[in-house]
Amino acid sequence: QLQLQESGPGLVKPSETLSLTCTVSGDSISSSSYYWDWIRQPPGKGLEWIGSIYYSGRTYYNKSLQSRVTISVDTSKNQFSLKLNSVTAADTAVYYCARHTQVAGTRGPAVDPWGQGSLVTVSS
Amino acid sequence: QSALTQPASVSGSPGQSITISCTGTSSDVGGYNYVSWYQQHPGKAPKLMIYDVSNRPSGVSNRFSGSKSGNTASLTISGLQAEDEADYYCSSYTSSITLVFGGGTKLTVL
Repeated sequence: QLQLQESGPGLVKPSETLSLTCTVSGDSISSSSYYWDWIRQPPGKGLEWIGSIYYSGRTYYNKSLQSRVTISVDTSKNQFSLKLNSVTAADTAVYYCARHTQVAGTRGPAVDPWGQGSLVTVSS
Repeated sequence: QSALTQPASVSGSPGQSITISCTGTSSDVGGYNYVSWYQQHPGKAPKLMIYDVSNRPSGVSNRFSGSKSGNTASLTISGLQAEDEADYYCSSYTSSITLVFGGGTKLTVL
């Protein structure tokens, strides 16, 4: 059964870089059928898609965050990572890693499964 | 990309049916049959309930159904049960090859 687990610092200072890693177990991150996502949820608010990466390294980002975000993949470790630069208090959120199916014909990008989430607080 | 529009809250009594709407544009909801719905209980990760507008993953109750008309998708829950009380989010694929979520709807079972 596929499982995803986020890891990284729970506290980041303003203006610094938020870094998280998602470790995938139960399946290969190199599967051609899936993309790997980062999604966040500020406390008490809704979900925001941050971006996706394919095992080849091809990335897609939310335009509102694109200038500050980098998502990378390490197929040898079955992991993918998120870096968010120049963070502010507005970046405080639970960060989820997840997987979505590749769009193909009648098959769309269902996000499933999700990791348990990792709370990152931006504060000095 | 702007978030899809959902009502902030809906409510219903046990056994009743409720519908949650999700309105986007022709560049997302209206342009593709790629709308998904997610259920999120407090402190938990979201769970996929509906994909590709109206398909249910294995293990999801058939009390959950989805549909779409134009730029608006809908999630219907029939035979409301106490455990259905949760937040619900819609999501759509977009013409920019990205994903966008709705603002979320809090379902209260009275």
